[in-house]
Amino acid sequence: AQSVTQLGSHVSVSEGALVLLRCNYSSSVPPYLFWYVQYPNQGLQLLLKYTSAATLVKGINGFEAEFKKSETSFHLTKPSAHMSDAAEYFCAVSPTGTASKLTFGTGTRLQVTL
Amino acid sequence: DAMVIQNPRYQVTQFGKPVTLSCSQTLNHNVMYWYQQKSSQAPKLLFHYYDKDFNNEADTPDNFQSRRPNTSFCFLDIRSPGLGDAAMYLCATSRALGKGTDTQYFGPGTRLTVL
Repeated sequence: AQSVTQLGSHVSVSEGALVLLRCNYSSSVPPYLFWYVQYPNQGLQLLLKYTSAATLVKGINGFEAEFKKSETSFHLTKPSAHMSDAAEYFCAVSPTGTASKLTFGTGTRLQVTL
Repeated sequence: DAMVIQNPRYQVTQFGKPVTLSCSQTLNHNVMYWYQQKSSQAPKLLFHYYDKDFNNEADTPDNFQSRRPNTSFCFLDIRSPGLGDAAMYLCATSRALGKGTDTQYFGPGTRLTVL
């Protein structure tokens, strides 16, 4: 079964610093990959998704992620963190060509400090 | 705005007392999903409907049931809630099944407390 691993359950950055949240996938074929954000007591909101087109994917709120097949990675980055970025971030995988069923990673809580 | 709505946002029930959570959508999507998210964990898919077709995940306990009376509404029934069922329950929709690229749109969730 396909899965994703998120390294680091908690990441803390200063406001204005680079945000890097790591996600690695396990799959024999490149799957579809997603990043979702969850604010406290809210549902999940899609940030961006990789669907085998461009390897560099731009999302909402200034986030982007790069699909690297050689590293089986799909890390999420943002050049400059804002206080409003503090949230839980989930990487998710969906099998290529089959149902839209998502398997989520365990999440990374991003803290942004002044 | 088109959206996924969950009611109530917070639900308290007693151990063993049946409870129903509600989800509705204005997106006219064919697929509706129910996820369970325990504290500090990833969402876990319980089941999904493709139109009226019900698909249960292999490890979803029998205690959890679902109904979808029409395209817009889907219900999650917990027949005899245990303390371990306390969690956030997320409803999501997607336009189609069979395309891994379809985006899932999530509701705000219902936080269930079992006393």
